[in-house]
Amino acid sequence: GAVVSQHPSWVICKSGTSVKIECRSLDFQATTMFWYRQFPKQSLMLMATSNEGSKATYEQGVEKDKFLINHASLTLSTLTVTSAHPEDSSFYICSAHLGGVRETQYFGPGTRLLVL
Amino acid sequence: KNEVEQSPQNLTAQEGEFITINCSYSVGISALHWLQQHPGGGIVSLFMLSSGKKKHGRLIATINIQEKHSSLHITASHPRDSAVYICAVRSFGADGLTFGKGTHLIIQP
Repeated sequence: GAVVSQHPSWVICKSGTSVKIECRSLDFQATTMFWYRQFPKQSLMLMATSNEGSKATYEQGVEKDKFLINHASLTLSTLTVTSAHPEDSSFYICSAHLGGVRETQYFGPGTRLLVL
Repeated sequence: KNEVEQSPQNLTAQEGEFITINCSYSVGISALHWLQQHPGGGIVSLFMLSSGKKKHGRLIATINIQEKHSSLHITASHPRDSAVYICAVRSFGADGLTFGKGTHLIIQP
């Protein structure tokens, strides 16, 4: 089946630094990728929808200047957490949308971010 | 905004038992997903449904669009089925998914 990778799988950083997370669809082209966040014992929440070659669409309450999304190609989307704070510590998951007859979403393995 | 409710929140059963997890949602959808999340966090998509019923191995998913309800069944459950099962819906006009809080399933040997 289709595979989506994320890098890094976990990261620890100091407060105030920026962290970039990559999401790649390995064997298919994804015109749309999604970024989700999951806090401990909570459900996943959609942060933004990323379309190749255009600006991301952010959900209400998600700061676009803090969570920068770049979808530069059909196989790569990046999420940059700028000036990270401890409250940004979370599990970040991307998914890639496969359209057509086999339409579905494939999820990446997630990136665990800890901001000290 | 679509509200997605899952039940039960926690379920412990013995190996071999038939398992049912329920999901209801409040607003019409174009698709419903059943996902499996293991302790490490990784998510696997089990099914995507827009109507009827799908079966894959010991897993069966059904959806009733009129009643806004879906069920995930596991036959002959096994300890390796232990995971969090998440229902997620895509509302009409939306691209992203809205998730339920998940059902934490433990299958004891």
